[in-house]
This record gives sequence, C-alpha cells and structure tokens, in this order.
Amino acid sequence: AQRVTQPEKLLSVFKGAPVELKCNYSYSGSPELFWYVQYSRQRLQLLLRHISRESIKGFTADLNKGETSFHLKKPFAQEEDSAMYYCALKRAGGYQKVTFGTGTKLQVIP
Amino acid sequence: EPEVTQTPSHQVTQMGQEVILRCVPISNHLYFYWYRQILGQKVEFLVSFYNNEISEKSEIFDDQFSVERPDGSNFTLKIRSTKLEDSAMYFCASSAALEAFFGQGTRLTVV
Repeated sequence: AQRVTQPEKLLSVFKGAPVELKCNYSYSGSPELFWYVQYSRQRLQLLLRHISRESIKGFTADLNKGETSFHLKKPFAQEEDSAMYYCALKRAGGYQKVTFGTGTKLQVIP
Repeated sequence: EPEVTQTPSHQVTQMGQEVILRCVPISNHLYFYWYRQILGQKVEFLVSFYNNEISEKSEIFDDQFSVERPDGSNFTLKIRSTKLEDSAMYFCASSAALEAFFGQGTRLTVV
C-alpha cells in the first residue's frame, strides 16, 4: 500500500525565515512524488514534481529514497506562501491514483 | 492555459436524493479521477477512470457511487442516495500521464 505522511498540521514561520515542510512516504516500488498547494478558496495546484527537479516560487524538494522523504524547502518565506501544502505520491503509469498526505498549513507571519 | 472545470460550485441536497456532479476534463487527457475532501480532513481518492472504465476505486466508492463519461467531454460522479456524511468538497482531476490537474471543486452539502 502507498502512504504519505505529513507530520505537521500547522507550521508558522516569520517572513524571511526558512521553511521546511516535511513529507515521508511508504511505497515498495519507485514512486512519483509531487507537492500540491491550495491557496485560500482556490483549487489544488501542482507546485513541484520530483522528476523535473525544478524550483517553483523559490521552493525546492529533493527525493531521498534512503529516508523515503520528499521535504519541501524554501530559504526565505514570503507572506504569499501562506497556504495548504499537500505532498502526494503516484505509482508510475498514467492511470494510477494520486495519494495525498493530510496536508500542512503554512502560515507566514509578517 | 487549459483547466478542469466543475459544475456546480455548490450543491445543496436533501438526504436520500440523487446528485450528479459534473466535470469537464482537459481535452487531450485520458485519465480521470474523483477525489473528495471532508471539511478539515485530507483529500481522499474515490475513483480513477481510463478507457471508459473504472481503473481503481477506494472503499469509499461503494454501490451508491457511479461515474460516467456520457460524451467526449464530460465526466460525471453520481451519488444515488445521499447521506449526511457525503457532505464534502468533491474534486475532479484529469491527467495526460504525469501529474493530475484539479478542478476548483464542488461543495456538496447534504441536509
């Protein structure tokens, strides 16, 4: 079974402080990992996917297969980063479901 | 930029009534999904649909639920006889092969 764990329900940081949103997963095969963001009253949007190793809005995430983690990081938090962040896992293959973690609410304090 | 669209944005229904939630996936996508999010809880997988049939479904997706792609563009979720605990935000998603793109959701309130 595939599972995604986000241990923090709420993370409050001051503007300009570093951010790390934790995500651990369990899956026996090679997963595809994603971070989705949900701003207030908006739809879920893809933020990052591990296979493209990109940086979006200053966020990065590295897949650590040894620790089965995919933590989301940003060196300097901005107020507009305040949102719900969901880590998600998908088995390879187009029709496979995406399994979400419980989400972490990031609150950036001005 | 193409988007997944869902209608209605909010639906209120009486317990025991049937509801149909509608979705228009992104046009060249082949994989379709329904998820739900009960208030304050995580996003939960309901069902995936590919090649005109269900690929996978969760325990939540019991006989009261059904999905259909009635024409080339719509993807619907039907709840046959709604219960109070069906109240949630329902998200449709579609995918070409990699990540899923989500609609804005339909808030279903069962009274």
